[in-house]
Amino acid sequence: EDKVVQSPLSLVVHEGDTVTLNCSYEVTNFRSLLWYKQEKKAPTFLFMLTSSGIEKKSGRLSSILDKKELFSILNITATQTGDSAVYLCAVGNAGGTSYGKLTFGQGTILTVHP
Amino acid sequence: NAGVTQTPKFQVLKTGQSMTLQCAQDMNHNSMYWYRQDPGMGLRLIYYSASEGTTDKGEVPNGYNVSRLNKREFSLRLESAAPSQTSVYFCASSEWGQGALNEQFFGPGTRLTVL
Repeated sequence: EDKVVQSPLSLVVHEGDTVTLNCSYEVTNFRSLLWYKQEKKAPTFLFMLTSSGIEKKSGRLSSILDKKELFSILNITATQTGDSAVYLCAVGNAGGTSYGKLTFGQGTILTVHP
Repeated sequence: NAGVTQTPKFQVLKTGQSMTLQCAQDMNHNSMYWYRQDPGMGLRLIYYSASEGTTDKGEVPNGYNVSRLNKREFSLRLESAAPSQTSVYFCASSEWGQGALNEQFFGPGTRLTVL
C-alpha cells in the first residue's frame, strides 16, 4: 500500500521567515510527486516533480525531489500572511490498476503571523 | 470554463437518510475521483473512475456508491448515512494515460454533517 508522511503537522512562523516542509513516501511504482496548497476550499496545484524534473521553483516557493531517499521538501522564503494554508503532498502511482491515482499525506498546517 | 463543480455546498442529514453528491467537469478529462477530508487525515480516496464506463474502489469505499453518468459527471451516493460519514467531500478530475502525470483538479467541496 502506498504511503505518504508529512512533517511537521503544523508550523507557526512570522512574516519574513523561511520554512521547510517535508514529505516522505513509499510507493510501488513511482510516477510523480505533487504539492498542493489548500486555503479555505479546494486544493490548488503548486508543483509536480518527476524522474525527469526533480527541482521546481516559482517565485518564493521551491521544491526538490530525492528519489533515492524517497522524500521531497517544499521551501517557502520570505513568508507572507497569504502563505497561511494547509500544504498537501501526494504521490502518483504508475502501476497497473493504480495508474493515475494519488495518495495524499496528512498535510502541514502553516500559519504565518504578521 | 467552470472547471470542476460540486453540488450541494453544504448538507445536513439525519442518520439513515440517503443523498447524492453531484460533480461535473468541463475540461474533457477522462478520469474523475471522490475524496473525503477529515481533520489530520489529508485526502482519502473513496472511489474513482479511470474512464467513462468504469469505476473502482479507493481506500475508503464502504458506505458509498458511485455512478459515472457520462464523461462529464460523476456522482457519489450515501444510501444510509452514518455520523462517521460527516466530512468534507471533494471531487477531482484529471487526464489519463501515458501522457498524463497525475495532476488532479479539485472542486470546491461539499461539507456534510450527519446527525
